[in-house]
Amino acid sequence: DAGITQSPRHKVTETGTPVTLRCHQTENHRYMYWYRQDPGHGLRLIHYSYGVKDTDKGEVSDGYSVSRSKTEDFLLTLESATSSQTSVYFCAISESTQGWAEAFFGQGTRLTVV
Amino acid sequence: SQQGEEDPQALSIQEGENATMNCSYKTSINNLQWYRQNSGRGLVHLILIRSNEREKHSGRLRVTLDTSKKSSSLLITASRAADTASYFCATGTDSSYKLIFGSGTRLLVRP
Repeated sequence: DAGITQSPRHKVTETGTPVTLRCHQTENHRYMYWYRQDPGHGLRLIHYSYGVKDTDKGEVSDGYSVSRSKTEDFLLTLESATSSQTSVYFCAISESTQGWAEAFFGQGTRLTVV
Repeated sequence: SQQGEEDPQALSIQEGENATMNCSYKTSINNLQWYRQNSGRGLVHLILIRSNEREKHSGRLRVTLDTSKKSSSLLITASRAADTASYFCATGTDSSYKLIFGSGTRLLVRP
């Protein structure tokens, strides 16, 4: 299995509080992604990174920010959590030296905003 | 809106039968990938097909790609109960490294 770890695995937080989820990889892959998964919506891309300090928005980026200060860590921050951000969050990594390659996924973080 | 849309949303078959899932997408792509997700777990990559390829095989999996119709299909032959999972297509383009997923097909293989 690819070395990718998400933390925490479960979190309950209150509306209005900031929350940070961490994705850590040991594969030295260049590309990292954050997705959220909700029933009926599949996976939706929040933000992604194509290198240290290089990030871009995905399909559902409002209310989220990211940072990547080193290759191995990609942080997702919910600036002020809302109940609509209750979801399962997945991190993925990928490396491509000759175009696209497969992505490897973490086990997910289940976030509940109450 | 999402790039890929799978059809059907849910599929129930008997063990030993073949399962076919379809994916349609909207924009030009560099590649299309299929992933599998067991309940409560992360996604696992199954196969990647590039835009200049028409068909690809991996074990009991067969993927086709029709770029003129912007569609792909995943065929699982001789299905097993262990194939029960959700299956997702995902597309990548030349203009960015966004990997965009569809909403998935839930496959149930009855023993």
